[in-house]
Amino acid sequence: NAGVMQNPRHLVRRRGQEARLRCSPMKGHSHVYWYRQLPEEGLKFMVYLQKENIIDESGMPKERFSAEFPKEGPSILRIQQVVRGDSAAYFCASQRYNSPLHFGNGTRLTVT
Amino acid sequence: SQQGEEDPQALSIQEGENATMNCSYKTSINNLQWYRQNSGRGLVHLILIRSNEREKHSGRLRVTLDTSKKSSSLLITASRAADTASYFCATDVGGTSGSRLTFGEGTQLTVNP
Repeated sequence: NAGVMQNPRHLVRRRGQEARLRCSPMKGHSHVYWYRQLPEEGLKFMVYLQKENIIDESGMPKERFSAEFPKEGPSILRIQQVVRGDSAAYFCASQRYNSPLHFGNGTRLTVT
Repeated sequence: SQQGEEDPQALSIQEGENATMNCSYKTSINNLQWYRQNSGRGLVHLILIRSNEREKHSGRLRVTLDTSKKSSSLLITASRAADTASYFCATDVGGTSGSRLTFGEGTQLTVNP
């Protein structure tokens, strides 16, 4: 049973470009969370999704950021018009209801 | 400020010694969890302790929870070089946001061979 798969592992974007981060949850997991981690800091919650539904997006910036978890395919975190402050590691975690979270290895986004 | 705050920020010990990390939080919780993160990797779940539990063991790990003081500790006994990592506590307040976790800033543990 493969773990949570995130791609790409590293992503470099110039200011103003779009970044698309993908997350495939563990088999049988229907809950997906996205977190952001700045260097030397803990993870900050961004958004919680179930299939085709955003349950809680209170941690996500209101502009430029969006997330989806379609019926088929991976969850996508999309950042439009990236700025240097978006540089961070973005982690996805999946869960079967009420069980511990399983994290992917993250996507490290660098905005130049 | 942070819901979970770890103390110390960094800890360096010799192999075979015990390592103790502390975590404080501010609001009522459903459970508290500890995670480990190796450099450049994702987080690995270590142990979960519910709000009605006081102590839990898993292998060389021992976690305590004091809800009156809003604090928890993680003890790693007989440490090994492979235990070198960052350790994070995370609180789950329950409710409708699934397992939305609030993480502390972490303790960087270095175990010297």
